Amino acid sequence: EVQLLESGGGLVQPGGSLRLSCETSGFTFLNYAVTWVRQVPGKGLEWVSSINPGGVTTYYADSVKGRFTISRDNSRHISHLQMNSLRAEDTAIYYCAKDRTEWEVLMGFDVWGRGTMVTVSS
Amino acid sequence: KFILTQPHSVSESPGKTVTISCTRSSGSIGSNYVQWYQQRPGSSPTPVIYEDNQRPSGVPDRFSGFIDSSSNSASLTISGLQTEDEADYYCQSYDSDNVVFGGGTKLTVL
Repeated sequence: EVQLLESGGGLVQPGGSLRLSCETSGFTFLNYAVTWVRQVPGKGLEWVSSINPGGVTTYYADSVKGRFTISRDNSRHISHLQMNSLRAEDTAIYYCAKDRTEWEVLMGFDVWGRGTMVTVSS
Repeated sequence: KFILTQPHSVSESPGKTVTISCTRSSGSIGSNYVQWYQQRPGSSPTPVIYEDNQRPSGVPDRFSGFIDSSSNSASLTISGLQTEDEADYYCQSYDSDNVVFGGGTKLTVL
């Protein structure tokens, strides 16, 4: 069974940092891109960042570019989202998701984790 | 970059058919696949349509996806509505370096 499990969320002050993790199992991790999507509770989905299977190419939403860094460790089947210079508007549930198609990126996501809540507040 | 516009909400009675639209602001709707996700309260999104009109395994054939080039939009049609279909639905597409979600449509089955 394909599973993704996010961790690392919590309460952080504005300007602070957090590192989210997405542990995966049940599929050949190195063949699939990973994507992070966030959602303010009660609001819509917002794409945050994606990383290709090899970990060489990364993509970011304008709202997080220069502050967030996505990475992956194919030997440990895990992806990270390093979030720096956090703002109140970054408060959201952060989901990681597996791309549907091997070797593709950005096209669509077939399995999502349960999410981890990030709250940026003083 | 483009925007995907969905109606904020739709409602219909059990057993009826409902269609949710998703209009692309610029660029052709047919140039990149459209996906649809269902999100029930308190749960993560799950795909109900991928690659414009394909159903993932386990999704009933009551769910169907269409592309209309004339209106530059995609649509999700759910027939034989059931109370369990009540949820938020999001369309999603992409371009060369960007993923875009529609704003979401709340489906009420009353």
